[in-house]
Amino acid sequence: NAGVTQTPKFRVLKTGQSMTLLCAQDMNHEYMYWYRQDPGMGLRLIHYSVGEGTTAKGEVPDGYNVSRLKKQNFLLGLESAAPSQTSVYFCASSYSKGPYEQYFGPGTRLTVT
Amino acid sequence: KQEVTQIPAALSVPEGENLVLNCSFTDSAIYNLQWFRQDPGKGLTSLLLIQSSQREQTSGRLNASLDKSSGRSTLYIAASQPGDSATYLCAVRPWTGANNLFFGTGTRLTVIP
Repeated sequence: NAGVTQTPKFRVLKTGQSMTLLCAQDMNHEYMYWYRQDPGMGLRLIHYSVGEGTTAKGEVPDGYNVSRLKKQNFLLGLESAAPSQTSVYFCASSYSKGPYEQYFGPGTRLTVT
Repeated sequence: KQEVTQIPAALSVPEGENLVLNCSFTDSAIYNLQWFRQDPGKGLTSLLLIQSSQREQTSGRLNASLDKSSGRSTLYIAASQPGDSATYLCAVRPWTGANNLFFGTGTRLTVIP
């Protein structure tokens, strides 16, 4: 039981490049989330999904797109990376019923130069 | 918008000491509150979750309390050990709005042998 996994663990991009971060969970959770963590700030929600084929915007969605084609996977895309997107990205998942306890992946450290 | 604050930002204690970490939030209309542990370069590990109707939760040497009316939660760690050294984050889930958690910036704890 791997829980929540994320690939890749590290990535360096140049401004304007694109990439996709993959999150996978094996707990059969309906809800999945993408957060970013920046120094001096708490984790902030980028996008989330309440089920296969559905996504919604969170607090800081600009510059990102997401897809949930399979229940166990949640993809985060950067179409044209900017230095402001340098951050650590965390994926999380939870059941659709209370208490909605969230389980987090190990994170992806992204640097945009 | 919910604001979550954790003070102090950093704390050093000698091994064996009991300690309290503080978390405050501005909007008392919360569904629950979670305490997490984050080790350097790692993901978040859920420690305790307190529902809004509960006053406290305990797990081993950890005890979390919740005073919703005053917008405060504390995490009590008994008989601290060097292995407790990590950053501790609290996060609140509101009753309404996006399916996300609002995070504090954390308290970095160092337990000195």
